[in-house]
Amino acid sequence: ELKVEQNPLFLSMQEGKNYTIYCNYSTTSDRLYWYRQDPGKSLESLFVLLSNGAVKQEGRLMASLDTKARLSTLHITAAVHDLSATYFCAGDTGTASKLTFGTGTRLQVTL
Amino acid sequence: DSGVTQTPKHLITATGQRVTLRCSPRSGDLSVYWYQQSLDQGLQFLIQYYNGEERAKGNILERFSAQQFPDLHSELNLSSLELGDSALYFCASSAASAGGRNEQFFGPGTRLTVL
Repeated sequence: ELKVEQNPLFLSMQEGKNYTIYCNYSTTSDRLYWYRQDPGKSLESLFVLLSNGAVKQEGRLMASLDTKARLSTLHITAAVHDLSATYFCAGDTGTASKLTFGTGTRLQVTL
Repeated sequence: DSGVTQTPKHLITATGQRVTLRCSPRSGDLSVYWYQQSLDQGLQFLIQYYNGEERAKGNILERFSAQQFPDLHSELNLSSLELGDSALYFCASSAASAGGRNEQFFGPGTRLTVL
């Protein structure tokens, strides 16, 4: 059974700083996803990572996938307040399309 | 806006009651998924339907059931409600059953409060 762990659970960072959120998973996962959730809102799809070495970038966010290490990272560059949200990683396997989510990382960007 | 719609947005009910949550997938998507989000359990997969048929089941209680209709909308029925069923219930849809990108798009959710 796939298990997904994220760390840190909570991250407070200053505007302009860089940081990385880590996502480890327990068994082979064919795909790795990153979602963003604002308080009380839905989940917004950020990235879909399909293969080893995949790197995707959108604005100040960059996600990567290392299937050998069973690790995905979400790197935040020069954080701004608008990035404050909870970020989830999730994995699935080819035979079962259900998503297994990590616990989420609550990011707070302060001035 | 993901294109997935859910009704109602909020639902307040009493223990022992039964409720129905409704979801319409994005146009063209055949798969519908239901997830429960609560403070203690996090985001958990409940059940998936693909083109009217059940495809995968997660930690869904026996008191809960779902179905997908010919027009592809789905309903999640929760019965004999308990306080612990209070949560945010999300519906998601994707184009495929499995394989490919299988990117799932989430609806706005239904917040269920059981008093």
